[in-house]
Amino acid sequence: DGGITQSPKYLFRKEGQNVTLSCEQNLNHDAMYWYRQDPGQGLRLIYYSQIVNDFQKGDIAEGYSVSREKKESFPLTVTSAQKNPTAFYLCASSKHGQGAASDGELFFGEGSRLTVL
Amino acid sequence: SQKIEQNSEALNIQEGKTATLTCNYTNYSPAYLQWYRQDPGRGPVFLLLIRENEKEKRKERLKVTFDTTLKQSLFHITASQPADSATYLCALLNAGNNRKLIWGLGTSLAVNP
Repeated sequence: DGGITQSPKYLFRKEGQNVTLSCEQNLNHDAMYWYRQDPGQGLRLIYYSQIVNDFQKGDIAEGYSVSREKKESFPLTVTSAQKNPTAFYLCASSKHGQGAASDGELFFGEGSRLTVL
Repeated sequence: SQKIEQNSEALNIQEGKTATLTCNYTNYSPAYLQWYRQDPGRGPVFLLLIRENEKEKRKERLKVTFDTTLKQSLFHITASQPADSATYLCALLNAGNNRKLIWGLGTSLAVNP
């Protein structure tokens, strides 16, 4: 079935460690996005990519890094520079992108919950 | 200031009734507005999109309205079922040069049997 796969679903990290969250899609979508979801806050955009080998910072990119070497894959690294990394991370894709927004429906993965110990 | 607001309090209704959820916005020029469903611990799932020049959209038991004068979208679930219990998110695409998707906090809906 087509969709977006995020892994791992749960991840624990010690302070000072970098961790990488995986996001793979087989929908042949051009655009991919990383969001962070915290209680009491709406989804916040971390990074987005409209095309392979190109990506842009979202609203809260500090302490994060991404790559888009393949159309299907958009991994997110949470670095030790991210001051408050404990959160629920959501990867999404859309057929096309228009800047930081999709041109329509967003398809989301199941999310990755990161906890810093 | 720019805001997008959804009912902050959880909505509890009886099975079979119509659930109505609200999404209000201030100081945005929406190109369209989307509604998503999110279950606990899972990613949001797209339900409906309504454009700024559309008044109403329907899909099975779901109906969305968009009033750009009132700056409000209403999301209705008719003949509600316990399986409709979830959090519903609205997201607005701001038009213009700064095209970005702005998300509400969501409204939790509980449908009681």
